[in-house]
Amino acid sequence: GAVVSQHPSWVICKSGTSVKIECRSLDFQATTMFWYRQFPKQSLMLMATSNEGSKATYEQGVEKDKFLINHASLTLSTLTVTSAHPEDSSFYICSARNPPGLAGVRETQYFGPGTRLLVL
Amino acid sequence: SQKIEQNSEALNIQEGKTATLTCNYTNYSPAYLQWYRQDPGRGPVFLLLIRENEKEKRKERLKVTFDTTLKQSLFHITASQPADSATYLCAYVNAGNMLTFGGGTRLMVKP
Repeated sequence: GAVVSQHPSWVICKSGTSVKIECRSLDFQATTMFWYRQFPKQSLMLMATSNEGSKATYEQGVEKDKFLINHASLTLSTLTVTSAHPEDSSFYICSARNPPGLAGVRETQYFGPGTRLLVL
Repeated sequence: SQKIEQNSEALNIQEGKTATLTCNYTNYSPAYLQWYRQDPGRGPVFLLLIRENEKEKRKERLKVTFDTTLKQSLFHITASQPADSATYLCAYVNAGNMLTFGGGTRLMVKP
């Protein structure tokens, strides 16, 4: 199956700093990746859709200047939380759609292991 | 608008029993529903997909049903094991072609 990795898995930072999270598709090319945020005991909430070579599409209520997304290659998308504040502390997860050639429907998503962000 | 709902209360069962988790949707029948497993501090892992025109789908000890009359999907784990303890999420693809998740149900299998 498709493998998606994230780095780092854990990050603790001071308020006001910026944090970059990487999402990589290890064995396939992903023209589209997704970024989710998950608060404790809650479900995943889609933040944005990352499109290779073009601007990301943000969900309603997500500040694009706050959460910068760059999808510079077919295997890498990055999410930068700018000027992070304690309320940005959360679990950030990326995913990619089932690539062509693998069994199953295209809308199945493969998720990274997540990045836990703690802003002090 | 479409909502997808799962029982937010944890389900506690004894090892060896069958676990049954429920996913209800409120409006139109999605073309298919997906079930994912999520362990604490990890990303979800895809388990099964069932299409609107399929009544049942099986994979090893897992079984999923789709009842468009009841607007409900049931997820069963037979001969449950402590290792099955996790949160199980159902999801559908919305009109914008985006995956939308239910709140998830936590399953605890006791030895």
